Formats: sequence, C-alpha cells, structure tokens
Amino acid sequence: AQSVSQHNHHVILSEAASLELGCNYSYGGTVNLFWYVQYPGQHLQLLLKYFSGDPLVKGIKGFEAEFIKSKFSFNLRKPSVQWSDTAEYFCAVTPPNTGGFKTIFGAGTRLFVKA
Amino acid sequence: NAGVTQTPKFQVLKTGQSMTLQCAQDMNHEYMSWYRQDPGMGLRLIHYSVGAGITDQGEVPNGYNVSRSTTEDFPLRLLSAAPSQTSVYFCASRRPVTGELFFGEGSRLTVL
Repeated sequence: AQSVSQHNHHVILSEAASLELGCNYSYGGTVNLFWYVQYPGQHLQLLLKYFSGDPLVKGIKGFEAEFIKSKFSFNLRKPSVQWSDTAEYFCAVTPPNTGGFKTIFGAGTRLFVKA
Repeated sequence: NAGVTQTPKFQVLKTGQSMTLQCAQDMNHEYMSWYRQDPGMGLRLIHYSVGAGITDQGEVPNGYNVSRSTTEDFPLRLLSAAPSQTSVYFCASRRPVTGELFFGEGSRLTVL
C-alpha cells in the first residue's frame, strides 16, 4: 500500500546535538510534502513545506528539510536542538491525482531533548 | 482569531451510544477534514470535504458519518460507538494554494 514512513518512532538527544528525522513516501509523480510538529498539550502546526523549486526548504525555529526525489525522501534537520524542541514530528504528503484533497501522515517521531 | 474550534474536548461514551463531534472554522476555507490520532499510527484521514454539500471518504471512514451544510461547519458523527473508536480526533481546514492544514485542539474520545 502507498504510504508515508518515518523511520524512528522515538529519538532522545541532548541539547545542542544535531537532529535528522527520516521520512520516505511511496507515491510516484508530483507530491507536496510537509512537516508538522505537535508540542506537548498543543495541536499540530506546520513546520515547513515543499511544493516545487529549491529542494532544500527552511521552516520555523531553525528547521530545514531536503527533498530528494530519487530517494522519495523528505528528511527533517536541525543543526542544534533545544529542550523546547521536545515534541512529536509528523511527515505528511499530498499524493498526486488527489487534487490536493488528501494529506497522508506518517506515524510520527517523538523527540525528547535532554536539558 | 479563533481558527478551527472543536467541541467537546473530552467525551466518554458507552458502546453503542451515538455522538457528534463539532468542528467550526472562521477562515472561509473550502476544504475541511477529520483525522484520528492513535499511538504509533500517526494521523489517519477519516473523511474530508471540499466544500458545502461535498464530502468523501478518507483512509478509515467506517463507523463515521459527516455532512457539510455550510462552509464553516463540518461535524463528525459516530452512530454506534465501539471501543476501537477510542482515539483523539482532530479537525482541520486547509488554506488554498499552500495546502497548509490548520488543526483544532483535538477531542479525546473514550468508548467503554
């Protein structure tokens, strides 16, 4: 089945460590890609998105993601995490041929940053 | 700026009971959707709507009904609740062109 896969379900890092969260999707064709974040007790909010153009996109709070079409990947990165980055991160894809009407989410990665 | 508003925030039901989760948005977005969030499974799309009078099924529609009589409101109905429907439910609306989803704060439903 076509899907969105996030490789790590739980990640624990110390402050100032670098972060990379993996995301792969299995849809062919043109896709729109997103990363959302859910801080403890809050609702989901958009971190960044990719539609076209420069495959390296920058989002809020120092996050960035790189779209590699040949690898069907959209990995999220941050050079130096902070305690406040503790949250759950979701990769999401709008598959082709859906008119943009369906956004499919990965299972999420829980990040815990130790102070 | 209210954004997307969901009610109730918490609900406990007995098996077989019915209920409606309410969702309203004030951003004039045509597209709205309902997701359920379960541990280890992320968010799964239940139903979505591309405008008043138009709804369609998502990934996990069974056991849920929706309707869209106005642009603002998109209620989710459970006709006969089952324990498998214990979950956190999120309503979202989508900004046109960018595709960004705006989520409500969630409704935690427990079915005993």
